[in-house]
Amino acid sequence: EVQLVESGGGLVQPGGSLRLSCAASGFTFSSYSMNWVRQAPGKGLEWVSYISSSSSIIYYADSVKGRFTISRDNAKNSLYLQMNSLRDEDTAVYYCARDWQPVHHFDSWGQGTLVTVSS
Amino acid sequence: DIQMTQSPPTLSASVGDRVTITCRASQSISSWLAWYQQKPGKAPKVLIYKASSLESGVPSRFSGSGSGTEFTLTISSLQPDDFATYYCQQYNTYSRTFGQGTNVESK
Repeated sequence: EVQLVESGGGLVQPGGSLRLSCAASGFTFSSYSMNWVRQAPGKGLEWVSYISSSSSIIYYADSVKGRFTISRDNAKNSLYLQMNSLRDEDTAVYYCARDWQPVHHFDSWGQGTLVTVSS
Repeated sequence: DIQMTQSPPTLSASVGDRVTITCRASQSISSWLAWYQQKPGKAPKVLIYKASSLESGVPSRFSGSGSGTEFTLTISSLQPDDFATYYCQQYNTYSRTFGQGTNVESK
């Protein structure tokens, strides 16, 4: 069974940093491209970032470009999101999501981890 | 970036009703569109991909159609478990975008 488990969320002050992790199991992690998607409280879904299976291709939403960094460790079956210079508007539940095929729909999602940016 | 516009934002319906949700893309995305269902406090779940392909395990009352810029999700006979929020998503580019969502609520 495919499992994606996010961790690392919490309360952080504006301007602070946080690193999210997503632990994958039940599939060959190194064969799949991955994404981060977020959802602000009471709002819709927003795609945040994409990383290919080999980390050779990376994309970011304009709203996080230059502040967030996506990475992965295929040996550890893990996906990461380093978030710097956090703003109030980054407050959201962050989900990791697997691409069914590269640049395709998301066929598996984690349960999400809440990031709250507040002073 | 490709913008996705969903309508209506809210839809009030009864069990047994036929429900249709529309999604429009700001430019052609061929058939690179998925539909997701999300319930409160839960992660989204894919229902339809490539505009009209039913995800394994999803009831056949869900169907999708369209191509280019206009797409629809139809629930042929609404069931109690279907009250939820639905999102369309384009994957024509690496930068995926979602519609604003449609909340299907009980009339």
